[in-house]
Amino acid sequence: DAKTTQPPSMDCAEGRAANLPCNHSTISGNEYVYWYRQIHSQGPQYIIHGLKNNETNEMASLIITEDRKSSTLILPHATLRDTAVYYCIVRVVNSGYALNFGKGTSLLVTP
Amino acid sequence: GAVVSQHPSWVICKSGTSVKIECRSLDFQATTMFWYRQFPKQSLMLMATSNEGSKATYEQGVEKDKFLINHASLTLSTLTVTSAHPEDSSFYICSASGWTGGNTDTQYFGPGTRLTVL
Repeated sequence: DAKTTQPPSMDCAEGRAANLPCNHSTISGNEYVYWYRQIHSQGPQYIIHGLKNNETNEMASLIITEDRKSSTLILPHATLRDTAVYYCIVRVVNSGYALNFGKGTSLLVTP
Repeated sequence: GAVVSQHPSWVICKSGTSVKIECRSLDFQATTMFWYRQFPKQSLMLMATSNEGSKATYEQGVEKDKFLINHASLTLSTLTVTSAHPEDSSFYICSASGWTGGNTDTQYFGPGTRLTVL
């Protein structure tokens, strides 16, 4: 799977949008971008995934650049409960392969 | 989203004993289940991959005779830590992969099991 690069940490004020970037410049045509988050002492939570089109669900929006070399996860109105480590993972879909977790971005939402 | 449960959520045991952790997919059939462990301030590390009815595939450096994995059905996998020692103390997390709608498989994670070996 292609490697991803994320900033180690970010801050965001409560109620504001949190924009988490991810670089995946070596992504292949059959690899999807997945986002998960892990709140302290809990299992990772699936957020969203996409191939090349922008995606939105009840949790977040995923913006993928046209060349697919980078993406941004957007939490439109961050709350204190969004404080977590966010992982951007690139994976071949339907491959049966596991997710390889990097170090992620530690997002701190402040009052 | 799909729900994956783990039991127990935490366990404390004496050195030399064995501990079994269960992982269940509650509302979907998991074609594949994965076991991870996470040490403090570190990321998740894959231990093994298991498919229902097949032997698990272990990652390099993970002892298959120490970490026994059974995947007897499409909704249940178990991890048994045999002869546990203090260095096995960790946060063990399972995930289940399957089709829950749409045309792509997604991995859903259990809440994790905190193992402390005294």
